[in-house]
Order: sequence, then structure tokens, then C-alpha cells
Amino acid sequence: AQKITQTQPGMFVQEKEAVTLDCTYDTSDPSYGLFWYKQPSSGEMIFLIYQGSYDQQNATEGRYSLNFQKARKSANLVISASQLGDSAMYFCATGGATNKLIFGTGTLLAVQP
Amino acid sequence: NAGVMQNPRHLVRRRGQEARLRCSPMKGHSHVYWYRQLPEEGLKFMVYLQKENIIDESGMPKERFSAEFPKEGPSILRIQQVVRGDSAAYFCASSPPASLGTSMKKLFFGSGTQLSVL
Repeated sequence: AQKITQTQPGMFVQEKEAVTLDCTYDTSDPSYGLFWYKQPSSGEMIFLIYQGSYDQQNATEGRYSLNFQKARKSANLVISASQLGDSAMYFCATGGATNKLIFGTGTLLAVQP
Repeated sequence: NAGVMQNPRHLVRRRGQEARLRCSPMKGHSHVYWYRQLPEEGLKFMVYLQKENIIDESGMPKERFSAEFPKEGPSILRIQQVVRGDSAAYFCASSPPASLGTSMKKLFFGSGTQLSVL
């Protein structure tokens, strides 16, 4: 079975500072992927970043980076230089051999000016 | 190149009516997934379809819910005799017919349909 745990229901960050959103996972699949999605108040799901379980390097996409620690089963999202437009819900998810995503409960990020 | 298109964006139904949600995948995508998001929760997998085939429906409620992805036209999620507990946002996602590893990276979501049952 697969499970995603996001322990931070809400986070505050000052504009231009970096923030880390926590995610731990549990899976029995030997090969799996880890995803982060952003859901602004408008409701759509926006893909941010992907990390494969066998990728040697941590994934980066612009201001987003994924701090992947396989032994600890963690896949934290780091957002650098926060912007007001980053205020949204952030969901961590995992997918494996079943080819479907399991999502966490999300973290609500509020960027303060 | 249009993204995943879902309609309607908002759907209001009275208890006992039927709800039909439509999803047109991205051009070239042949895999469709439906997810449900209850208030204050993350997305929950419902069903995975390819053209004319249901691949995995392990997340679908046993009664009143059905899904199809015909050879021609959009994928349809159908909810019969809706109840208030069906009120949620329903998201569709699509991916191309590639290997598992590649298709997992390229899972694109639509904007969702917000179903409200009165």
C-alpha cells in the first residue's frame, strides 16, 4: 500500500524567503515517483516537480527543488525566493506500478508581504 | 495545444438526479484518470481508463458511479441518484501512451468540475 504524510496543515513565509514543505511517503513499489502539485484558490491542479526513485540527483524546476532522502522516505519541496503568487495549497503525491497517484492532505502556504 | 478540458466547470444537482461529468484528454493522450477531492482533503483516485477499457476502478464506489472512455468522444463520469455526500471537486487527468515511467511524469490535470448536490 502507498501513503503520503504531510504534517504541516499550514505555513507562513515572508516574501523573498525560502520555505520547505514536508512530505514523507510509504510505498511497497520497488520503483516509484514523487510529485508536487500546487492548487491555488481557483482550484486547478498545477504540476510543479517530479522525482523518480532511481534518479541520482534531486529534481529542480526553476524556484522549486525537491529534497529527496530515500533512506528517510522524505520528499520535501523547497521554494526559494517566495512570491505572493505562491500562496496556495501544495500536495505531495506518489505513484508506482499501479500507475495512479496517492495524494497527501496538503499544506496551505501563505506568503506574507 | 489545448490542455485537459473538463466540463461543466460547476454542476448543481438536486438529490436523486444524475450527474454527468465530461473530460477531453490532451491531444495524443489515451490514458484518463478520475480523482475526487472532498472539502479540506487531498485528491483520491477513482478510476483509470484507456480507450474503451477500464484498467483500474479500485477507487470507485460500488454503486451509482460509473465511467467510460469511448473510442470517440470524451470520457464520462456518471453519478446516478446523487446524494449530498457526492458534493466534491472531480478532477480528470490524462497521460500519453508511453512507458510507465514516462507517463507518470506527464500526468496533466484539468481544472475540475465542482459538483454541488442540494
